[in-house]
Amino acid sequence: ETGVTQSPTHLIKTRGQQVTLRCSSQSGHNTVSWYQQALGQGPQFIFQYYREEENGRGNFPPRFSGLQFPNYSSELNVNALELDDSALYLCASTEQDRGEQYFGPGTRLTVT
Amino acid sequence: TQLLEQSPQFLSIQEGENLTVYCNSSSVFSSLQWYRQEPGEGPVLLVTVVTGGEVKKLKRLTFQFGDARKDSSLHITAAQPGDTGLYLCAGYESGGSYIPTFGRGTSLIVHP
Repeated sequence: ETGVTQSPTHLIKTRGQQVTLRCSSQSGHNTVSWYQQALGQGPQFIFQYYREEENGRGNFPPRFSGLQFPNYSSELNVNALELDDSALYLCASTEQDRGEQYFGPGTRLTVT
Repeated sequence: TQLLEQSPQFLSIQEGENLTVYCNSSSVFSSLQWYRQEPGEGPVLLVTVVTGGEVKKLKRLTFQFGDARKDSSLHITAAQPGDTGLYLCAGYESGGSYIPTFGRGTSLIVHP
């Protein structure tokens, strides 16, 4: 059984640019959630995808968008990057009916 | 205002000491999870508690869910340097919410 993987590990972008982060879910999990974790904070829920459909969204602006693919891998896209978008972005996969989330190692995004 | 308040925010102790971390809320949760996160890594699930008053043990770690399912605690006996990390609680509010809310975490350092 493979775990959750994310790419890239680290990324540096300039304010105003766009970024795409990627996640491969744990085998057998059809639900993926994305979180933003600022330094010294707990993870903040961005959105969740279940079988390629957005299944819930946190308090993030529309410039945060996502996709889930038939193989349950996922992307997080952020447009018009702002300095405050600098954070660790985590994805977590879940078996829909169990609720236990398994996190990837995260992508550290720095916006300058 | 955080839905889940964790205390203390920081804890620095010597090897062999005992400690307790608290997770409190005014909301009722259908389940609550505890995670440990090491620097540069994603959170790793330690335990899920679902029943009011439930106590679960994981080696030297003891987790308790409050009778009213509004609070939880994590007690570590004879802490070791390997216990160092950020401890996060996350809850699913009653009413069928599938979006977990995380606390800000307790940063624990255990000195040899």
